[in-house]
Amino acid sequence: QVQLQESGPGLVKPSQTLSLTCTVSGGSITSSGYFWTWIRQRPGKGLEWIGHIYYSGSTYYKPSLKSRLSISIDTSQNQFSLRLSSVTVADTAVYYCARDGSGFGDGFAPWGQGTLVTVSS
Amino acid sequence: DIQMTQSPSSLSASVGDRVTISCQATQDIGTSLNWYQQKLGKAPKLLIYDASRSETGVPSRFSGGGSGTDFTFTISSLQPEDFATYHCQQYHSLPFTFGQGTKLEIK
Repeated sequence: QVQLQESGPGLVKPSQTLSLTCTVSGGSITSSGYFWTWIRQRPGKGLEWIGHIYYSGSTYYKPSLKSRLSISIDTSQNQFSLRLSSVTVADTAVYYCARDGSGFGDGFAPWGQGTLVTVSS
Repeated sequence: DIQMTQSPSSLSASVGDRVTISCQATQDIGTSLNWYQQKLGKAPKLLIYDASRSETGVPSRFSGGGSGTDFTFTISSLQPEDFATYHCQQYHSLPFTFGQGTKLEIK
């Protein structure tokens, strides 16, 4: 079955760029109809949808993050990535990647295990 | 953006109880609503999609209902492993949005 795994630094300094990669295994990232999604959860808070990408490279970002956010895809590596620039302490969160089946009327499944990114000097 | 409001924010209940969580959208989303269960320190798990359809392998005690702006999620008989946080999420329009979560605790 499809599995997702996030990777990247756990500590980022304020004003720098947060970079994470999600590796997809057990299935192809080019599967038609699925979007590949980033979601975050600030400490003690709810879930926040950040953005998604289709295998064609088409993206949609949460408007409030759009100026700082970039999501890319590498179909040859079966990976997709997130870059969030000019981070502040407010970007400290557990970041999850997930497969989005909303095109089929389905939800986010599966999810990666999540990775905690702390923004601190 | 469509805002999703869950109630209650927290709930204490006992094993065997029937519990219901509500989720309200700020505009009509049809049945474009999902429910997730999240245990402490773990990623969320999809339980219900399209407002009332159960994901494969999800126990029958979990159910969802509603359409338009008002939705419910019900656990018919609480089991010890059900104590977790539950989240609703709309996928009617981008950006997708979640409710703030409902924490289900043991009484």
